[in-house]
Amino acid sequence: QPVLTQPPSASGTPGQRVTISCSGSSSNIGSNYVYWYQQLPGTAPKLLIYSSNQRPSGVPDRFSGSKSGTSASLAISGLRSEDEADYYCAAWDDSLSVVFGGGTKLTVL
Amino acid sequence: EVQLLESGGGLVQPGGSLRLSCAASGFFFSSNAMSWVRQAPGKGLEWVSTISGSGANTYYANSVKGRFTISRDNSKNTLYLQMNSLRAEDTAVYYCAKSQYAYIDYWGQGTLVTVSS
Repeated sequence: QPVLTQPPSASGTPGQRVTISCSGSSSNIGSNYVYWYQQLPGTAPKLLIYSSNQRPSGVPDRFSGSKSGTSASLAISGLRSEDEADYYCAAWDDSLSVVFGGGTKLTVL
Repeated sequence: EVQLLESGGGLVQPGGSLRLSCAASGFFFSSNAMSWVRQAPGKGLEWVSTISGSGANTYYANSVKGRFTISRDNSKNTLYLQMNSLRAEDTAVYYCAKSQYAYIDYWGQGTLVTVSS
């Protein structure tokens, strides 16, 4: 059972803005940074957001992250067909472990 | 260019052992913590273990503690995962990752471990 809670699915039409939520607790999201990973079908995950709201070089500014209290969210604006993927949130937990969300499958309609 | 190349996966019987390796290149290996993350077929990502750059500190998920051992050889730029007492629920693609806590900036392509009789 994943420690972080994400909705199993999300969807949107091209050009729309979608958000994916990630809920945790005071020992993980509440006291540490949140990271977001994108996994395209059949490939290894890729870092999308680090330190809760920073984008690595090469990640389009259509992707943005935010954190408030024990929750975080990933927003994707100007949705494109190539954004169809699984998205995972992750955080360090003060119990000395890395915790992931269960993943959200994003469908572009 | 950072490259992480896993090897050692395969089919093993329940109760058996397997050692995964990850050959790293393109960065200063001994300065970076490394991790193993797995993904069961059709399931989400699960953190397995992390080791500090020097190898002095190791961390494990409760699901593998006491059965798996992470180690590294900085002279060979190689990360290892020794897996003992394997169970059916350990079946997964195992990814080697360059990491700092939950910050994973590079992932390998993964190696499949299947535990079945």
